Amino acid sequence: NAGVTQTPKFRILKIGQSMTLQCTQDMNHNYMYWYRQDPGMGLKLIYYSVGAGITDKGEVPNGYNVSRSTTEDFPLRLELAAPSQTSVYFCASSHGGAYTDTQYFGPGTRLTVL
Amino acid sequence: RKEVEQDPGPFNVPEGATVAFNCTYSNSASQSFFWYRQDCRKEPKLLMSVYSSGNEDGRFTAQLNRASQYISLLIRDSKLSDSATYLCVPPPRGGYNKLIFGAGTRLAVHP
Repeated sequence: NAGVTQTPKFRILKIGQSMTLQCTQDMNHNYMYWYRQDPGMGLKLIYYSVGAGITDKGEVPNGYNVSRSTTEDFPLRLELAAPSQTSVYFCASSHGGAYTDTQYFGPGTRLTVL
Repeated sequence: RKEVEQDPGPFNVPEGATVAFNCTYSNSASQSFFWYRQDCRKEPKLLMSVYSSGNEDGRFTAQLNRASQYISLLIRDSKLSDSATYLCVPPPRGGYNKLIFGAGTRLAVHP
């Protein structure tokens, strides 16, 4: 199993550009999550999904959109990039349903907006 | 008040040392926690879960003290490879396994 994979690994965007961060998991997990992590800070939840076709906002959803058309994929869309979105983005997945469910993370995408 | 509070460190220790981190929490109803480890510029990975009975895995021991509302992580015989940030994560609230990840405690093990 590859686990959780993310592409691209690095990206530089200009202000106002758009892009999609890809996330795929091959563990047949129901739950998927997008986090961002700024330097020296903890992870903040952007969006999450509990199954195909079901998504909901996390703590910091503004400026982002998601979709979940399949169990495996959970792309994150940035529509009008701003310098405040410079961060490392982690996708995670978990089986779901258990109180002590482990989250598995992808390697992250490092995004710089100039 | 934050749900969990950790000393950000860094804890600088020599190889072979024993080091302990504490994490205090505010929700007295919490019965389990997670310790995640995050290497520099890498993703977090689950180190261990900890319940009121504690947990031990090799050189790592975690304890949950519900009376005093703190969780501890003890690392014995520190290795260079233990250098990382250790995140104390409370159990999910509000369903959907949504976890709260703070900035953690940074450990630097030196030769």
